[in-house]
Amino acid sequence: ETGVTQSPTHLIKTRGQQVTLRCSSQSGHNTVSWYQQALGQGPQFIFQYYREEENGRGNFPPRFSGLQFPNYSSELNVNALELDDSALYLCASSWDRGTQYFGPGTRLLVL
Amino acid sequence: AQKVTQAQTEISVVEKEDVTLDCVYETRDTTYYLFWYKQPPSGELVFLIRRNSFDEQNEISGRYSWNFQKSTSSFNFTITASQVVDSAVYFCALSGVGSWGKFQFGAGTQVVVTP
Repeated sequence: ETGVTQSPTHLIKTRGQQVTLRCSSQSGHNTVSWYQQALGQGPQFIFQYYREEENGRGNFPPRFSGLQFPNYSSELNVNALELDDSALYLCASSWDRGTQYFGPGTRLLVL
Repeated sequence: AQKVTQAQTEISVVEKEDVTLDCVYETRDTTYYLFWYKQPPSGELVFLIRRNSFDEQNEISGRYSWNFQKSTSSFNFTITASQVVDSAVYFCALSGVGSWGKFQFGAGTQVVVTP
């Protein structure tokens, strides 16, 4: 196991609602990255936080936002949920921007 | 722009056979890292190997080996003497200095190992 934890493990929401996903990074890691993985596809980079600052963003709209806390844990917030937001959301931690170690993911279903 | 292509969608083998997974990448960065990750049905991505762009030495680690060829932009991965526990989706990923830490993943290859 990597030591990266995510909560919750599963979540069901309806269109238009807001959701917050949480990630605790591996001890000693200062960087957290978030990915969205739709069924049957590879993970897509959402954004990365390095020492509490956003440090790169993929092609996701502003309703996807995040935070990193002083203990390097992180949150992913998604507003105005759409059906296409249904996916596995993966969090990865690393030291600086090295090898990323992934958590078990949060499965989000939007109805 | 970076791109990773895994042309094989699914590979089925019988236990003890070798499995080779293909990965072709595109990047304008001169410095970059390549990775292989394994995703079992539980969903967690498991780190397997990492190779940097200035080291083309191929290595073997247990039952895993990889063949990095910069001239053809390929980073192939082989599992020797496959086991049922190797059944998973395998992803190749690229991280370049121009977008450091932003991993570009391929679409993945499903490996099915039957007894």
